[in-house]
Parts: sequence; structure tokens; C-alpha cells
Amino acid sequence: EIVLTQSPGTLSLSPGERATLSCRASQSVRSSYLAWYQQKPGQAPRLLIYGASSRATGIPDRFSGSGSGTDFTLTISRLEPEDFAVYYCQHYGSSPTFGQGTKVEIK
Amino acid sequence: EVQLVESGGGLVQPGGSLRLSCAASGFTFSSYSMNWVRQAPGKGLEWVSYISSSSSTIYYADSVKGRFTISRDNAKNSLYLQMNSLRDEDTAVYYCVLANWGSPFDYWGQGTLVTVSS
Repeated sequence: EIVLTQSPGTLSLSPGERATLSCRASQSVRSSYLAWYQQKPGQAPRLLIYGASSRATGIPDRFSGSGSGTDFTLTISRLEPEDFAVYYCQHYGSSPTFGQGTKVEIK
Repeated sequence: EVQLVESGGGLVQPGGSLRLSCAASGFTFSSYSMNWVRQAPGKGLEWVSYISSSSSTIYYADSVKGRFTISRDNAKNSLYLQMNSLRDEDTAVYYCVLANWGSPFDYWGQGTLVTVSS
């Protein structure tokens, strides 16, 4: 099983700032099997990025994903008020696993 | 529009059983694999189980293997999760998720809360 470790646990930023979230895997992950999700309180997760860098349908271009091997990054170029949420990375190959999440909160 | 609506959650005692259902609409249910994912209160996401479109392939997380059974009825556009021998640590919101094996989790239901407590 691939263990995903996200950092930081909490990111305190202001609207308009750039957010950089990290996801590190315990072993090499095929990029095509790495996704990012956004979850707001009381809501189901929403797919943002798949294949490490492809945006899902309807996702604004301020969200971007990058990385390969064991290190992956989700970048939000300019935070909008609706972007403050918890973000999870996921390996969706055999035996899907999720990271523990990064909370992006308003500073 | 894809819609996934879970039901069947509630309060159950440790050692008890519960059956969750997920009603699917807006897509050809019989052509897609389905999953259950859970989230304990204030915690992260955990994949629970997978079933292929024809029910020929089924996978479980180690944490539920031997206690939970996933099934589907393509004629009723419905997905199920039979949960037996429930433990405190099974307390979570359970989500029904549309996704083929090796694919990202595109569509999620709103979830149903299962509370295991005496």
C-alpha cells in the first residue's frame, strides 16, 4: 500500500496569495494515478486534478498540479474566498489511498 | 446529471449490522464500477470497497475485509454495503463514489452517517 504524506497540515494565507501544497508518496507513483480533491465542511470531496496535472471538468485554471515519482504539488495561484477548504491527494491505482489532508485557512 | 444518493445510515451498537444503499441516476449504472469511501468525524478519507460493473471483481480494504460485503443491483440502479460486526472505529460518513478501477473518483454522493456506539 502506498502511504501519502501531505504537508503542511495547515496553511494560513490571505485571499490573493499563492498556495503550495505538498504530497509525498512512500514509493514511486505513476503520475497517471495521482489526484487532488477539495472538500468543504459538510460537503463531499470534489475532484480537482487527476493524472497529477490534468484539471477536472469545470475546475478554474488557478488550480494546477505537478510532480512525479514520489513528490507532487498542488498550486493555487491566487486564492479566492471559496478556495479555503481541506485538500487531499490520492493514489488511485491498486488499493486507493488518500493523504491526511491540508487545511487552507484564512489568515 | 450524475446523482448518487446514499441512505441507510444510523446509530447501531458495537457488533451490530447495517445495510447502506446508494441510488444512482443520470448515467448508465450497469456500465460503471462503483466504490464506497468513508470519513470518520474530523478525519481523512478512507477507501472501503470496489465492485465492477458486472460484480465479477470486488475488492475490500483490509480494515473491513470479512465484515463488509459490497453488492449491486443493475436492474434497480443501486449499490449496497452490508456491514456486519460493526466496531466503534467504523463510525464515519460513508460515500458512494462512481469510479472505475485505476480511475480518479469523479462523482460522489452526499454521504450517510453511520454511528457505532453503545
